[in-house]
Amino acid sequence: KQEVTQIPAALSVPEGENLVLNCSFTDSAIYNLQWFRQDPGKGLTSLLLIQSSQREQTSGRLNASLDKSSGRSTLYIAASQPGDSATYLCAANNNAGNMLTFGGGTRLMVKP
Amino acid sequence: NAGVTQTPKFQVLKTGQSMTLQCAQDMNHNSMYWYRQDPGMGLRLIYYSASEGTTDKGEVPNGYNVSRLNKREFSLRLESAAPSQTSVYFCASSEDRVYEKLFFGSGTQLSVL
Repeated sequence: KQEVTQIPAALSVPEGENLVLNCSFTDSAIYNLQWFRQDPGKGLTSLLLIQSSQREQTSGRLNASLDKSSGRSTLYIAASQPGDSATYLCAANNNAGNMLTFGGGTRLMVKP
Repeated sequence: NAGVTQTPKFQVLKTGQSMTLQCAQDMNHNSMYWYRQDPGMGLRLIYYSASEGTTDKGEVPNGYNVSRLNKREFSLRLESAAPSQTSVYFCASSEDRVYEKLFFGSGTQLSVL
């Protein structure tokens, strides 16, 4: 069974800092991996989707990488802003099934 | 463009009561999903519908039923609510069944007393 872990569970950084959020998964036979953002009391917003054949995806200040062999994905946020404060979740889509397995999320706070 | 719309946003039930959570999407997506989100358990799939006319169980389907009414609408029914079903419920949709970028609704916070 796929297990997805995100460490740390919470992170606080000063504004302007570059930061990396980590996601690890136990089964490397994934179809794709998505990163989501969740604001308090709201639904999830898809940020980036990386197919298994890709190594990374970029959108603005966000860059997500995927290393299937090591079972890891990272989300890099450049020049962080207070508006980036939210919970970030990763989710792996396995080849064998039709279910996304979500990590527990990293709660990010960017202080002005 | 509303995206994925869920109703209601909040609901309080007594044990044994029934209710239906409604979900509609206006993106012409084929696939729709119901998730629940619980502290310490993350997001877990309850049921999904890969296309109109089909539904399948997810990870935690017990105590729930679903109906894919048409391509736009996917409802989740609790026939006899239990305190263990207290959770935040999210509906989501994607263009196809292999989760090409999920779009989520804003959620329903359900409390079962």
